[in-house]
Amino acid sequence: QKEVEQNSGPLSVPEGAIASLNCTYSDRGSQSFFWYRQYSGKSPELIMFIYSNGDKEDGRFTAQLNKASQYVSLLIRDSQPSDSATYLCAVLGGGADGLTFGKGTHLIIQP
Amino acid sequence: NAGVMQNPRHLVRRRGQEARLRCSPMKGHSHVYWYRQLPEEGLKFMVYLQKENIIDESGMPKERFSAEFPKEGPSILRIQQVVRGDSAAYFCASSAGNSNQPQHFGDGTRLSIL
Repeated sequence: QKEVEQNSGPLSVPEGAIASLNCTYSDRGSQSFFWYRQYSGKSPELIMFIYSNGDKEDGRFTAQLNKASQYVSLLIRDSQPSDSATYLCAVLGGGADGLTFGKGTHLIIQP
Repeated sequence: NAGVMQNPRHLVRRRGQEARLRCSPMKGHSHVYWYRQLPEEGLKFMVYLQKENIIDESGMPKERFSAEFPKEGPSILRIQQVVRGDSAAYFCASSAGNSNQPQHFGDGTRLSIL
């Protein structure tokens, strides 16, 4: 059974600092990796996606992928209170059509 | 609004009734996915459809649940004879293609069973 694991948190980070969110996955056949942000009572919003080993940067966000270690992370630089949300790691591949989600990490940015 | 459109936003049903949830994909997208999020649970994949075809329904409960994506009109997720355990947020996502294409989510339908 494919699994995606995240620390549920809460992860508390001071405003302006770097928030580091981590995710591991069980299926070595996974090919695509996504980070979604979900505010309470709202829908998931796509933040980043990454397909290849290494880093991918978009504004304040950096996604990191290490397929050998089956590990994907999201870094948020210059954290803002508006970044406070649950961050969902999602994985696709290995013959599956639907995303497999982790349960999410609750991030709190302290002003 | 070119985003994924879901309606209704909230739906209340009594046990034994039918629930119909609708989803129109983002403009230019022809691939639709349905997910369910139970309280305090993660998002779970239910079904993947393209126009007039169910591609993967491996996450769909075998009974009472069905989905369609007709040639014209929105995708429909139908739940017959609803039970309390069906209370959840149901999200639709769409993508421009399968495999690596990112999926974009609608605002969801919050289903409450009395």
